[in-house]
Amino acid sequence: SYELTQPPSVSVSPGQTATISCSGDKLGGKNACWYRQMPGQSPVLVIYQDTKRPSGIPERFSGSNSGNTATLTIGGTQAMDEADYYCQAWDSGSWAFGGGTKLTVL
Amino acid sequence: EVQLLESGGGLVQPGGSLRLSCEASGFTFRSYAMSWVRQAPGRGLEWVAAISGSGDSAFYADSVTGQFTVSRDNSKNTLYLQMNSLRVDDTARYYCVKHFNSWGDYWGQGTLVTVSS
Repeated sequence: SYELTQPPSVSVSPGQTATISCSGDKLGGKNACWYRQMPGQSPVLVIYQDTKRPSGIPERFSGSNSGNTATLTIGGTQAMDEADYYCQAWDSGSWAFGGGTKLTVL
Repeated sequence: EVQLLESGGGLVQPGGSLRLSCEASGFTFRSYAMSWVRQAPGRGLEWVAAISGSGDSAFYADSVTGQFTVSRDNSKNTLYLQMNSLRVDDTARYYCVKHFNSWGDYWGQGTLVTVSS
């Protein structure tokens, strides 16, 4: 099965830029997406098809995907952005999720 | 407005069975593939199974192949997950997820399955 690897945690100061990586074999050749999960809530799609934002997601959320790494970038991070973030890709008829990254805004 | 409402979770003994349901509304159900994704307490997301819009094709994670069966009734706008021979490590919240291409654009609130004696 396809594996995606994320750092368990990332810390950022308010107003700074947070970057969360997601690595997988030839991930750049697949469509990567990202979900945000607040405590006690269901995941919400924040980036799809590598770089696109669903309606309602702030412009400070952006994504990229090249080579073996997809990256979620949150500019001007706010306290409300504290959450778990998961990357996901489709491979050979199945979804693969990264292990999740807990974003802490200090 | 897209809504996905899961039901059927609960407490079951090891070796038992449960059938989860997900009632969908707000979109043309038969036009979209659907997935089940689970999350064990304090853990990450794990994809469980997917089914095509017509129901003709189904896909499973290795961890549940032969144990779980995904199905759908497009006349009732409902997705199902039949879970047999349940184990303690199947304990999780199970989410119903609508596909859009290769990602999930809408998630239900989930239903909690607890496998314990």
